[in-house]
Amino acid sequence: EIVLTQSPGTLSLSLGERATLSCRASQSVSDNSLAWYQQKPGQPPRLVIYGASSRATGIPDRFSGSGSGTDFTLTITRLESEDFAVYYCQQYGRSFPWTFGQGTKVEIK
Amino acid sequence: EVQLVESGGGLVQPGGSLRLSCAASGFPFKTYWMTWVRQAPGKGLEWVANIKQDGSEKYYVDSVKGRFTISRDNAKNSLYLQMKSLRAEDTALYYCARVPSSFYYDTSGSYGYQYSGVDVWGQGTTVTVSS
Repeated sequence: EIVLTQSPGTLSLSLGERATLSCRASQSVSDNSLAWYQQKPGQPPRLVIYGASSRATGIPDRFSGSGSGTDFTLTITRLESEDFAVYYCQQYGRSFPWTFGQGTKVEIK
Repeated sequence: EVQLVESGGGLVQPGGSLRLSCAASGFPFKTYWMTWVRQAPGKGLEWVANIKQDGSEKYYVDSVKGRFTISRDNAKNSLYLQMKSLRAEDTALYYCARVPSSFYYDTSGSYGYQYSGVDVWGQGTTVTVSS
């Protein structure tokens, strides 16, 4: 099983600042099958990034994903009010089980 | 509109059973892998199970193997999760979700499915296991 460790646990930032979220895997993620999800209270997760760096439909270009192998990053440039949420990474490689990281909360400073 | 609507959740005693349903609409259900993901109160996301388009392949997280069964009825555009021998730790919000995929066959002779994350989620149905 691939264990995903996200850091930091909480990120306190101001509007307009840049957010950098990390997701580290215990072993290499095949084909960069790594996704990022945004979840707001009382809502289901929303796909933000898949394939480590591809933006999902409707996701603004201030969101970007990078990385490969075991180290992945989600970057949000110029935080807007609607970006404050919990973000989860997930590996969905060719073998199971799929796993999620424990989440990073991006909160308003 | 692409939509997934879960139902069937509720309060059940430890050791009991429950069957969750998920009604899909707005997309060609039979062409997609589907998945169940759960979220315990105040906790993170946990992948539970996947099922292939025709139901011929099913995969589970170890903690539910032998107790949960994922299935689908493509004629009814519906996904199911039969849960037995429920435990307190199964208490969670259960999401039904869609998994885009593409079949690959490479030059080395290996083949299978490559996925693109989980792109459509339902609102979830709550399962509470308590006496």
